[in-house]
Amino acid sequence: DQQVKQNSPSLSVQEGRISILNCDYTNSMFDYFLWYKKYPAEGPTFLISISSIKDKNEDGRFTVFLNKSAKHLSLHIVPSQPGDSAVYFCAARGENTGGFKTIFGAGTRLFVKA
Amino acid sequence: NAGVTQTPKFRILKIGQSMTLQCTQDMNHNYMYWYRQDPGMGLKLIYYSVGAGITDKGEVPNGYNVSRSTTEDFPLRLELAAPSQTSVYFCASREGTDYNEQFFGPGTRLTVL
Repeated sequence: DQQVKQNSPSLSVQEGRISILNCDYTNSMFDYFLWYKKYPAEGPTFLISISSIKDKNEDGRFTVFLNKSAKHLSLHIVPSQPGDSAVYFCAARGENTGGFKTIFGAGTRLFVKA
Repeated sequence: NAGVTQTPKFRILKIGQSMTLQCTQDMNHNYMYWYRQDPGMGLKLIYYSVGAGITDKGEVPNGYNVSRSTTEDFPLRLELAAPSQTSVYFCASREGTDYNEQFFGPGTRLTVL
């Protein structure tokens, strides 16, 4: 039972354009959502997060949008740069239900072409 | 701060062998986690710990054991290695307060032949 789904295995974007990575979740108890970035042969690193009391959080070129009614979140990268080429994982947990376990999606591999 | 460190980086095991994957963090985090990542898949939680002496199973605990005798260390033990345990293993830690992120180690690539 996949509670966090990233339905696009890969995405290719031209440098300078917007990258939009999508994530859907099924567990309505999730109230904290995170995006991680992973380069080959390295561990994932935290990128940006959002709690369920917000619908948008911005950090430089990265913005995460949360639509609770649709159980959907997205990560926007503007403008995209070749160094953004990596695998992006969406993750979620329920802080109000203990919050010990963070559930990860399968990841989306982003290619940014120069 | 070194953050989260894992050893070894790579290991090849024969079926039936056992080994321990080491994980140490120097951030005084209460929560620690072990994940495995199979090709094309996300991170699956194996075991986690909310403090020294306290561990619990995650999504895929079969074939593994853990212990947490100190805040810093969270070793993962494979007793009878099987080909299905071929994967990349990541250790992670985070503070025991709400709404924060996990910090990951660089991973251990394990192959069981």
